[in-house]
Amino acid sequence: DQQVKQNSPSLSVQEGRISILNCDYTNSMFDYFLWYKKYPAEGPTFLISISSIKDKNEDGRFTVFLNKSAKHLSLHIVPSQPGDSAVYFCAASHNNNDMRFGAGTRLTVKP
Amino acid sequence: SQTIHQWPATLVQPVGSPLSLECTVEGTSNPNLYWYRQAAGRGLQLLFYSVGIGQISSEVPQNLSASRPQDRQFILSSKKLLLSDSGFYLCAWSGAGEQYFGPGTRLTVT
Repeated sequence: DQQVKQNSPSLSVQEGRISILNCDYTNSMFDYFLWYKKYPAEGPTFLISISSIKDKNEDGRFTVFLNKSAKHLSLHIVPSQPGDSAVYFCAASHNNNDMRFGAGTRLTVKP
Repeated sequence: SQTIHQWPATLVQPVGSPLSLECTVEGTSNPNLYWYRQAAGRGLQLLFYSVGIGQISSEVPQNLSASRPQDRQFILSSKKLLLSDSGFYLCAWSGAGEQYFGPGTRLTVT
């Protein structure tokens, strides 16, 4: 069962513009949400997270927004840079032992 | 600082052959450990997780197994590989919150 969904397999953005990656979840028990970035042939690297008690978390060019009522979160990257081109995975967990990942969105930032 | 190692980096195995992938973590004790698989064009599928030595939870029934013989060692095994076992296998650890991933093993079953 897909408890975490990323419905856009790919996204293409011009350098300097905003990238918005979306993620939906179905399990209302999830209380911690994360975004990972993955380059080909490498393990994912942690990017940013947010707990369910917040609705926004910002770290430099990266901001994660959480809408609990809609069970939706998004990652905003602004301004986008070519080095941001990668696959981005959304993840959600409850009690840390059970993290579920979305299928990923491939972001391409064009120079 | 903590580091996580996986080997081998790539592996080509014939159908029906055994498999052993190893993962070790340094710089932390009693981590939660995880095995994931990323099939081509798909997301990360949790295969196994372990909260301590000898404690393994399986998420998906399949011909793979996992063992944790030591606190910071996690092994993924199979007695007979299937073509469908091909994929990118990732080991991860967590203390509390985020998971940190190893470099992965690309397995091709021929």
